[in-house]
Formats: sequence, structure tokens, C-alpha cells
Amino acid sequence: QKEVEQNSGPLSVPEGAIASLNCTYSDRGSQSFFWYRQYSGKSPELIMSIYSNGDKEDGRFTAQLNKASQYVSLLIRDSQPSDSATYLCAVKEGSNYKLTFGKGTLLTVNP
Amino acid sequence: ETGVTQTPRHLVMGMTNKKSLKCEQHLGHNAMYWYKQSAKKPLELMFVYSLEERVENNSVPSRFSPECPNSSHLFLHLHTLQPEDSALYLCASSPSTGNHGYTFGSGTRLTVV
Repeated sequence: QKEVEQNSGPLSVPEGAIASLNCTYSDRGSQSFFWYRQYSGKSPELIMSIYSNGDKEDGRFTAQLNKASQYVSLLIRDSQPSDSATYLCAVKEGSNYKLTFGKGTLLTVNP
Repeated sequence: ETGVTQTPRHLVMGMTNKKSLKCEQHLGHNAMYWYKQSAKKPLELMFVYSLEERVENNSVPSRFSPECPNSSHLFLHLHTLQPEDSALYLCASSPSTGNHGYTFGSGTRLTVV
């Protein structure tokens, strides 16, 4: 059973701080990693993808991948109240269509 | 239109009704998915179609019946639902191979009364 684990939160950070969201996965064959943002009552939106070890930056978002530790994280710099949402980690094995989602971490950014 | 479009956005139905949810994607993808998300709960994968063939059915009750007439369209036919079936139903699509994520539609908010 392939598993993707996330702390359910809520993770609460003050406005302007760095929010750090973490995810571990069980399948060593995983090759593609994704972060989705889901606002309450809305559908998930893909915000970051990462495929190689190291960091990938896109604006205020940085995804970090460590395949040896089976760990992927998302950093949000200068957090804004509009970043308050549930963040879903998703992992794909090889070129298979199958994407396994974590249960999500609820992030609250306080003004 | 672009992306993944779901209709209707909201649906209220009685337990004896029959209704259908529709999903259409304009991304050239050949895999499509139905997910259920109940309030404050994680995504639950219901059905997967790849190249118009159902490849996954996760122990979903028979009152939910999917249909994929072609690679761009996916339906979820509903009949004799229960109040606990009230949820956000999400359609997603992706290429069937490669390292791509899924693109989700905006969902149908279903209320069974």
C-alpha cells in the first residue's frame, strides 16, 4: 500500500512568516511530486511540481525534494492571509497515471 | 473553453431521483478520474478511466455509475442516493503516461435530501 503522509494541522503562522509544509512517502519508486492548494469548498489547484532532488523555486513558493529520505516539502515565504488553505502533497510512481494524495495540511495565516 | 469543466456546479436531489454529473476536458488528456470529497475529509478516489477503459473502481456503491463515451467526456450517473452521499464531486484529467499531475474541474456540490 503506497502511502503519502502529511500532518493534518492546522499549521498557524503570522503574516509575513515562512510556512513550512512537510510530506513523506513510502514508495521508493516515486519519481514525480506535486503540491496542490485547495481553498475551502473549492477544487485542488496545482501550484508546484518537482522531479529531482534539491530545491525548486517559483515566486514565494519553494519545493524541496530528498528522495533518499523520501521527503518533500513546500516553503511559502512572506505568507499572506490569502495563502490560508489546505495543501495536498501528491506522489506519482514512474510514468504511471496513478497519483497518490496525502490527506492535506490546513494552513492558516493570521493577519 | 479550456481546462476541465464540470456541470452542474450545484445539485440538490431527492433520494429517489436520478441525475447525472458531467465532466468535459479540453486538454487532450486521455485519463479521467472521479473523486468524492466529504466535508473536512480527504479526497476519495472513486473511478479511473484510461484510454476510455475503466481501470479502477474503488469499492464504490452501485448507486454511482460512471460512463466515459470518449476521452474528453466523463459522466457520473446517480440514482437512489443516500444523505451521506452529499459531498463535493471532483473530476480530474491527466495524460495517461508521463510525469504530469492532474488538472481538476471546479466540482459539483451535491446535496441529497
